[in-house]
Amino acid sequence: DAKTTQPPSMDCAEGRAANLPCNHSTISGNEYVYWYRQIHSQGPQYIIHGLKNNETNEMASLIITEDRKSSTLILPHATLRDTAVYYCIVRAGYNNAGNMLTFGGGTRLMVKP
Amino acid sequence: EAGVAQSPRYKIIEKRQSVAFWCNPISGHATLYWYQQILGQGPKLLIQFQNNGVVDDSQLPKDRFSAERLKGVDSTLKIQPAKLEDSAVYLCASGGGTDREQYFGPGTRLTVT
Repeated sequence: DAKTTQPPSMDCAEGRAANLPCNHSTISGNEYVYWYRQIHSQGPQYIIHGLKNNETNEMASLIITEDRKSSTLILPHATLRDTAVYYCIVRAGYNNAGNMLTFGGGTRLMVKP
Repeated sequence: EAGVAQSPRYKIIEKRQSVAFWCNPISGHATLYWYQQILGQGPKLLIQFQNNGVVDDSQLPKDRFSAERLKGVDSTLKIQPAKLEDSAVYLCASGGGTDREQYFGPGTRLTVT
C-alpha cells in the first residue's frame, strides 16, 4: 500500500469546519483513500472512502484532487465529540488479497470550545 | 446490530507470564483481524483470518504470539511468555459484511510489568 503524510496535530473551533489534509503522492490507480478516526480509549471507526470522485456521507465529506495525490477530509461543523486521531489510509479495493489497513501516525484533531 | 466484543478490557501481568484475549466479531462477518497498538502509534496488523483460515500473519511474532479461530467465529490471541514491549492495546476488528468495512472492538489494554 502507498504511504500517506498527515500533519501530526490540528486545532479547530467548535462549530467551524475542520479540514484535515492528507498527501498520498504514490497512490496507484486501483487504490482507494480511506479515513478512520479513533476517539480516546476506543477502537478506530470508519468515516468515509473514495476512489477519485468526491464523496459525502452523514459524517463527513472527502475531497480528492484530480491527480489523486492528495485529499481533504471535511467535518462541516466540528463538535467537541469530534476530538480524535484521524487516519488517512490508501489501500487496494476489497477484492485484492489481504484487505489490510496500514495505519500511519494520523492527525490529532483537537476541537476547542 | 451488536458490535465487536472483546474481553478482558484491561489486563496487568508480569513479564514471562502468559495471557489470552478473546474476540467475538459481528455476526456474519467472515474476516477477523487482530491489531497491536502501542501508545502514540497507529494500530499494526498482527494477523488476519478469513473464516477459520489464516490470510496474513507475516507481522505476528510467532515465537511468542499465537492466534486461532477454530469455528470461524470467535478468536483468541495468546502471548506466551510476555515481554515488557508487549504492553499495548490489542484491537480486534471484523469485516466482510455488505459494506466491506472493518469494524473495531474497544480493545484490550495490556500492561506488562
